[in-house]
Amino acid sequence: QKEVEQDPGPLSVPEGAIVSLNCTYSNSAFQYFMWYRQYSRKGPELLMYTYSSGNKEDGRFTAQVDKSSKYISLFIRDSQPSDSATYLCAMTRTTGNQFYFGTGTSLTVIP
Amino acid sequence: DARVTQTPRHKVTEMGQEVTMRCQPILGHNTVFWYRQTMMQGLELLAYFRNRAPLDDSGMPKDRFSAEMPDATLATLKIQPSEPRDSAVYFCASGPTVRETQYFGPGTRLLVL
Repeated sequence: QKEVEQDPGPLSVPEGAIVSLNCTYSNSAFQYFMWYRQYSRKGPELLMYTYSSGNKEDGRFTAQVDKSSKYISLFIRDSQPSDSATYLCAMTRTTGNQFYFGTGTSLTVIP
Repeated sequence: DARVTQTPRHKVTEMGQEVTMRCQPILGHNTVFWYRQTMMQGLELLAYFRNRAPLDDSGMPKDRFSAEMPDATLATLKIQPSEPRDSAVYFCASGPTVRETQYFGPGTRLLVL
């Protein structure tokens, strides 16, 4: 079993929809949680970064962490065609150095 | 606008040849990561460095892969000999500390025939 599981999609939504992207993980030691966005043929870029449980909002993006369920989510409100990309979740432990990535969810927002 | 740079951006080579990929991390970042990305496996960590010292290269096939940081502005990943299964996109990322975020380069697309 992988440390981080992510539904690969693909996910296709109409412009303006609310998008929900999710990851589950198995290691309760993970404390730092990140979402990266990767456009086609580009490197991943950091979108959101949270520590431990709770919510974090940045514009149209909201990241949620539920450590009791080992479940993290990224919500995109008022989705735009420019949001079309692959979204990867990542996490790491309080100690130790390795980042664990999900395989990514491909999102297409249709105008 | 500081960014991680990688060269070459694309590489096509024949099985058995040596491949060297280079990365220039963002100035001031003390951690450098090498990843490999494929459709099947996603992003896999190959190795990472802190202050130029290798911390973990357990994700790397030791018999053919090697990673070094000859100085703070250059990280290299070598494959010798290369095999078709090494075909992937190789990303370098750097960060100010290990637990904070990483900034990815544009990647090197490697095709081994």
